[in-house]
Amino acid sequence: AQSVTQLDSQVPVFEEAPVELRCNYSSSVSVYLFWYVQYPNQGLQLLLKYLSGSTLVKGINGFEAEFNKSQTSFHLRKPSVHISDTAEYFCAVSTLTTAGNKLTFGGGTRVLVKP
Amino acid sequence: NAGVTQTPKFRVLKTGQSMTLLCAQDMNHEYMYWYRQDPGMGLRLIHYSVGEGTTAKGEVPDGYNVSRLKKQNFLLGLESAAPSQTSVYFCATRLADYEQYFGPGTRLTVT
Repeated sequence: AQSVTQLDSQVPVFEEAPVELRCNYSSSVSVYLFWYVQYPNQGLQLLLKYLSGSTLVKGINGFEAEFNKSQTSFHLRKPSVHISDTAEYFCAVSTLTTAGNKLTFGGGTRVLVKP
Repeated sequence: NAGVTQTPKFRVLKTGQSMTLLCAQDMNHEYMYWYRQDPGMGLRLIHYSVGEGTTAKGEVPDGYNVSRLKKQNFLLGLESAAPSQTSVYFCATRLADYEQYFGPGTRLTVT
C-alpha cells in the first residue's frame, strides 16, 4: 500500500515571494502523482499530475512540480505567489496496481499569502 | 454539462438519525468515489464503485453504506449517524489517466 506525507501543515508566505510545498510518498511500485488545490468552501481542483516522462511537470496558475524517484518526492513550487493562491493544497498518489485506481491523499498544506 | 453534483450541500443530523447523500454525474464515467475530509487528515476514501451495480470498501467504510444502481448516481448512506461522522463529504469520478474530478462537497454536522 502507498502513503503520502506532506511535511508542512501550514505555510505563510508574502505576496510575490516563491513558495515550495513538500510531498513525500512511499510505494513499492511505480506511482502516479497529483497535486490538487482546494479554495475555501470549494471542492478539489487538479493543479498538475505526473504519469510518466519528464520529471518536471507544469500545471495551471504557474505551478510546477518535480518528480524525484530516488528521494520519493514530488514537491510543488511557484516562483511568485498571489493573494488568490491562498488555499489548501493536497498531494495524492496512485499506482497501476491499486484496486479501483484509488487515490491516497496527504494531510494537506494550508498556504496563506500575506500582502 | 453539470459535471459532478452533490445533494444536499449542508445537513445537520441528530445522533441516531439516518440520511442519504446523493452524487450525480453526467460525464458517463465508470468509477465513482466517496471521501470524507477532516482537518489535518486530508481526504480518506469511504467506498468506491468501478461500475454500475458494483461497490467496494475504502479506507474508512465503517458506519456507511453505498449503492450504485444507476451508472450516473452513487449514494452514500448513514444508517445511524454519530458525532464522529461530522465531516465534509466529497464525491469524485475518475477521468482518464487516474485523475479524479470532484464535486462541491456536502457539509454534515451530527449533534
